[in-house]
Amino acid sequence: GESVGLHLPTLSVQEGDNSIINCAYSNSASDYFIWYKQESGKGPQFIIDIRSNMDKRQGQRVTVLLNKTVKHLSLQIAATQPGDSAVYFCAENRGSNYKLTFGKGTLLTVNP
Amino acid sequence: GAVVSQHPSWVICKSGTSVKIECRSLDFQATTMFWYRQFPKQSLMLMATSNEGSKATYEQGVEKDKFLINHASLTLSTLTVTSAHPEDSSFYICSARDLPSGRAQYFGPGTRLLVL
Repeated sequence: GESVGLHLPTLSVQEGDNSIINCAYSNSASDYFIWYKQESGKGPQFIIDIRSNMDKRQGQRVTVLLNKTVKHLSLQIAATQPGDSAVYFCAENRGSNYKLTFGKGTLLTVNP
Repeated sequence: GAVVSQHPSWVICKSGTSVKIECRSLDFQATTMFWYRQFPKQSLMLMATSNEGSKATYEQGVEKDKFLINHASLTLSTLTVTSAHPEDSSFYICSARDLPSGRAQYFGPGTRLLVL
């Protein structure tokens, strides 16, 4: 069925390095994507979003890249900090019903 | 902006009782709210879409008579788990859209339910 998935379930990086978290989606009709950060025991926190008419969007220390040709989404975190340690989810939306479909999540661990 | 709260954050109840969870948008009006369920180390599973002033739309496999949703105002949606059983123990999270045409969802902090 249609799904949004992640290539890597876990990612471990050194503090100060850049992190790249990947996500694949299967539905070419998806036209809106969001990255969320979820810390243990908390609700997901909005990081950044991107519409399908864009291929790149930057925020504070984060960049989202969208490659519609291969249906791939990535989140880049610059100068990763210990506070960035969390599970990161990509989510996609298609159409006007505003429902989000979440990927499986990637656990990012930042080593001091 | 776009702050969503949930109450309670943690609840323990006996099997057979009902539990109500509140979801509030604190600084915006939310015409649509969503309820999710999350098991440990798993992704979020959408349970239902809650629209202000109308009946909730439930996802396939979610029992509407067990998970009662009410969206009585533009800032409040409630989820009532009726006749709770241990298998209903989970992390329940709500979200809301901050604009009528906005597509981003902002999440509450979640409610952990433990049914004994």
